[in-house]
Amino acid sequence: GENVEQHPSTLSVQEGDSAVIKCTYSDSASNYFPWYKQELGKRPQLIIDIRSNVGEKKDQRIAVTLNKTAKHFSLHITETQPEDSAVYFCAAKYGNKLVFGAGTILRVKS
Amino acid sequence: DGGITQSPKYLFRKEGQNVTLSCEQNLNHDAMYWYRQDPGQGLRLIYYSQIVNDFQKGDIAEGYSVSREKKESFPLTVTSAQKNPTAFYLCASSIAWTGAQPQHFGDGTRLSIL
Repeated sequence: GENVEQHPSTLSVQEGDSAVIKCTYSDSASNYFPWYKQELGKRPQLIIDIRSNVGEKKDQRIAVTLNKTAKHFSLHITETQPEDSAVYFCAAKYGNKLVFGAGTILRVKS
Repeated sequence: DGGITQSPKYLFRKEGQNVTLSCEQNLNHDAMYWYRQDPGQGLRLIYYSQIVNDFQKGDIAEGYSVSREKKESFPLTVTSAQKNPTAFYLCASSIAWTGAQPQHFGDGTRLSIL
C-alpha cells in the first residue's frame, strides 16, 4: 500500500555532529522525494528534494541520498547547529499525491 | 511561501457547527491540497484539487468538504459529521499536480472544540 516509514522518531545530537534520518517507501513507481522542516507551530518548509533520476543531491550542509533498488532515501545534515532543531518529514510521491512519514524530532544540544 | 494565506490562525467549533477554513494563494498554482496534522504524526491528505472546478478525496475526507470555484481559493469546511476535528490544518499548493512538483504550505489553522 501507500506507506512511508521514517526512522528514528527522535534524534539527539551534539552541536557540530552529523544527523541522519532514513525513510523507506513501498511503490517502485515513486519518482519524487521531498524533505520538509517544521518548527513548532509553523508551516512545513521544503529544505531539499530529489527525483528518481539522481542518486544524491547536496545543498550546503544538507544532502539527500536515494537508493531506488532498496526503496529508501536519507537526509544527512552535517555540522549541526541549534537552529537545526525541528521536526523533519520525508515524503514520497504516489501517483498524484505525496505521502508523508511520521516525522523525526531532531534536537541539537549545544 | 508568503504566497499562501490561511485564515483564521485559530478557530473554535461548537458541537453541531460547521466551520470553514480559508486558503488563498497568489502563486498562480494549479494544484491545491488540504492536510490534517495531529500531534506526533505526519500530514494526512484530506482533499486535493488539480484544477479549478475539480477536486478529489484524499485519505481522510469523511466529515470534510471543499470547493474550488477560483484558481486562487480552496476553502475547507469541517462539518458536524467530523467527530474529532481538533487538529492543525495545513493548506498547500504546487505548480501542477503531475510530475515531481514541490508543494508549498501556508501557516496553518489550529482548530479546537469548545
